[in-house]
Amino acid sequence: DTAVSQTPKYLVTQMGNDKSIKCEQNLGHDTMYWYKQDSKKFLKIMFSYNNKELIINETVPNRFSPKSPDKAHLNLHINSLELGDSAVYFCASSQAPGAYEQYFGPGTRLTVT
Amino acid sequence: GQNIDQPTEMTATEGAIVQINCTYQTSGFNGLFWYQQHAGEAPTFLSYNVLDGLEEKGRFSSFLSRSKGYSYLLLKELQMKDSASYLCAVIKAAGNKLTFGGGTRVLVKP
Repeated sequence: DTAVSQTPKYLVTQMGNDKSIKCEQNLGHDTMYWYKQDSKKFLKIMFSYNNKELIINETVPNRFSPKSPDKAHLNLHINSLELGDSAVYFCASSQAPGAYEQYFGPGTRLTVT
Repeated sequence: GQNIDQPTEMTATEGAIVQINCTYQTSGFNGLFWYQQHAGEAPTFLSYNVLDGLEEKGRFSSFLSRSKGYSYLLLKELQMKDSASYLCAVIKAAGNKLTFGGGTRVLVKP
């Protein structure tokens, strides 16, 4: 039983393309997150939604647009992909915002060529 | 902002003990997490400390000193499967944002 799932697991695409990553959690959590982990392994928060409402919006290019159709799903759309977008993107969820354990999805390795 | 520092890499022998230190500077501190991340996999939760002291959970223990801005993760009776990165992360009361350190890669040798 997968708690937090992401698709696709790998994504190879060319500069300038638009792509989406999907995330779903079946834990009944209210809060979901997108993180980016770069080649130096730093894990940085990008966005967070609580009950479909955006609560964290870090300084990321506006080419990145999250969407939460319901509290079990959080998708990430990226326009006009650049080389620097190459990274592993992790989705996560928690029971509520704040000091709660976060459950991470398996990650999506994005490679922009 | 928040500064979170932890060593980049540590090596230890199977069966031994390793202590991973984490220092942080932040205002509005609301707790410190430790996560384990095996290569190519997702981070998984290990511990959460918000009060000073030691929290023990099997072979792993985590310590926090709020006044010193310091935490450590203690791994006892090391096993080969403990080879992984260990991420220290701090959460502030305002903003609900978890900020991670760069991680400490632990290599367990036979």
